[in-house]
Amino acid sequence: QVQLVQSGAEVKRPGASVRVSCKASGYTFIDYYIHWLRQAPTQGFQWMGWINPANGETHYGQNFQGRVTMARDTSISTVYMELSGLRSDDTAVYYCARVLPYNDGNSNDLWGQGTLVTVSS
Amino acid sequence: DIVMTQSPLSLSVTPGEPASISCRSSQSLLDTFGRNYLDWYLQKPGQSPQLLIYWGSYRASGVPDRFSASGSGTDFTLKISRVEAEDVGVYFCMQSLQILYTFGQGTKLEIK
Repeated sequence: QVQLVQSGAEVKRPGASVRVSCKASGYTFIDYYIHWLRQAPTQGFQWMGWINPANGETHYGQNFQGRVTMARDTSISTVYMELSGLRSDDTAVYYCARVLPYNDGNSNDLWGQGTLVTVSS
Repeated sequence: DIVMTQSPLSLSVTPGEPASISCRSSQSLLDTFGRNYLDWYLQKPGQSPQLLIYWGSYRASGVPDRFSASGSGTDFTLKISRVEAEDVGVYFCMQSLQILYTFGQGTKLEIK
């Protein structure tokens, strides 16, 4: 079954870091980029960045540069997103999503189930 | 950044009736090969988003043909020919032309 399965909900203190994992199955892991996005309560989506699982290359959104790190482990078909210096406005559901190649649409055709990260003192 | 603006932000539709959602971008989403990098997604209650439309008007695999989309450049429309109960949720557009992908605010569809 083609799917992305994310790690469970997290509660963190302000200033802490959180790492969310996203395990791919049912397709060739290194063939598709992965995006990380987040959806804050009652707000729209915000794109955070991408990782190329084939070589680990990353690109981060300007709003997250310096605070986000994306990585992958090809041996277990898993990508990771770590966000540091957490603030209350980082409270959101974080999603990983597979990206179709640019010439096939460049769309997010497969999404993880989402991971709720709550930042609270 | 490309700003995406959707309207309306909410919609209440009787089953069997049509529905239409508009998405406007602050810059053209047309690439040099004539493709519009505009997607439509549906996020059903309690679920992750699902891809409905890519390249502005191409239905994704498994999407019912009651969903159609059109537009080019900066103005796009998603249409549902006959709304069904399972179509409830939030519809949003997303541009994927520029690396900082940006999203519309979302349109909440409910059934009357």
